[in-house]
Amino acid sequence: EAGVTQFPSHSVIEKGQTVTLRCDPISGHDNLYWYRRVMGKEIKFLLHFVKESKQDESGMPNNRFLAERTGGTYSTLKVQPAELEDSGVYFCASSQVAGRIYEQYFGPGTRLTVT
Amino acid sequence: AQSVTQPDIHITVSEGASLELRCNYSYGATPYLFWYVQSPGQGLQLLLKYFSGDTLVQGIKGFEAEFKRSQSSFNLRKPSVHWSDAAEYFCAVAGYSTLTFGKGTMLLVSP
Repeated sequence: EAGVTQFPSHSVIEKGQTVTLRCDPISGHDNLYWYRRVMGKEIKFLLHFVKESKQDESGMPNNRFLAERTGGTYSTLKVQPAELEDSGVYFCASSQVAGRIYEQYFGPGTRLTVT
Repeated sequence: AQSVTQPDIHITVSEGASLELRCNYSYGATPYLFWYVQSPGQGLQLLLKYFSGDTLVQGIKGFEAEFKRSQSSFNLRKPSVHWSDAAEYFCAVAGYSTLTFGKGTMLLVSP
């Protein structure tokens, strides 16, 4: 069974540009999460999809970030326009069921560098 | 609000020596606690989890963790470290559907 995959693994863009990150969850997992780790800080929750619906987007930093999950399969996270403080590692995770006791399976992350 | 503290940013351990990584949590109810590990180029892998019951939890790769409610701690241990254990370790507490992580501890293993 394939794990959670993320693309690209690295992205370097200039301030003001647009970047789109993609996450493919484990097949059959209705729940998809995005997290971010800024250098030197904790991994922080961004948002949670259940199928194609946003269940919780309380962690999204501002309206420059747009997450979509059309069709309830893969998800994209677009940053437009990118700022220097957006640099970090963006992790995607998925789970079959939502809830505290259910394991979230993480992808390898996308390292975003904004120069 | 829930929070997790990992007081050690880096730890260096000699191969074969024992290991303990510290984790303290703050959570208003019964905590559900996790330890994840991230090796270079890999995703976060679950080592072990605590929900209830026996406070000493066994995980993969020979790791264990002990839940101590009185100290709000969930420390990770391994009796003998291998060079392949060099990685970054994260402690986390679960909310309804989200995880709150500590800042991570980077483990370096010396020969």
